[in-house]
Amino acid sequence: GQNIDQPTEMTATEGAIVQINCTYQTSGFNGLFWYQQHAGEAPTFLSYNVLDGLEEKGRFSSFLSRSKGYSYLLLKELQMKDSASYLCAVRDRDNAGNMLTFGGGTRLMVKP
Amino acid sequence: NAGVMQNPRHLVRRRGQEARLRCSPMKGHSHVYWYRQLPEEGLKFMVYLQKENIIDESGMPKERFSAEFPKEGPSILRIQQVVRGDSAAYFCASSLGTELYEQYFGPGTRLTVT
Repeated sequence: GQNIDQPTEMTATEGAIVQINCTYQTSGFNGLFWYQQHAGEAPTFLSYNVLDGLEEKGRFSSFLSRSKGYSYLLLKELQMKDSASYLCAVRDRDNAGNMLTFGGGTRLMVKP
Repeated sequence: NAGVMQNPRHLVRRRGQEARLRCSPMKGHSHVYWYRQLPEEGLKFMVYLQKENIIDESGMPKERFSAEFPKEGPSILRIQQVVRGDSAAYFCASSLGTELYEQYFGPGTRLTVT
């Protein structure tokens, strides 16, 4: 099975940088995803890492270390609209198909 | 290209009634996943289907819950004899394939059992 941990809540200031960490344990790691979910809405895809290193996409970057079972999502130049939950999810090749196992999500509050 | 569609968006049922949740995947997608999200919790996998086949239902309760994805029409998640604990948001996701493909989520159906 899988075990995925991320902080429950974080607070940051508009314009700042915030790093949301995610640790995981899985038997057949086959990719890590970050999704953003605003309250009452569907999760939307942010990033995907399957190899070690940093993937940058505009203001958002995601890092993966497979040996440490660790990833982080980095958000730069925070905006008020970034207030949302950020979900870390892992795909395991031992699972049939493409099924994702999600962490509990990190609720980020951006303050002026 | 329309995204994943789910209906209804909100559903209220009394205890003991049946709930039917529908999901139309993105055009061209033949892989459908259902997830449940309890208040203040993360998404939990329920079932993975391809056209006319259930591939993995390891996350679905053994009783009262069933899912199908017929050759024609949307995928249906059916909950019989609903109880208060079934109140949650139910999200459907679809993908083009496995392995290299990301999942796209629908807007969800919020089920309230009174």
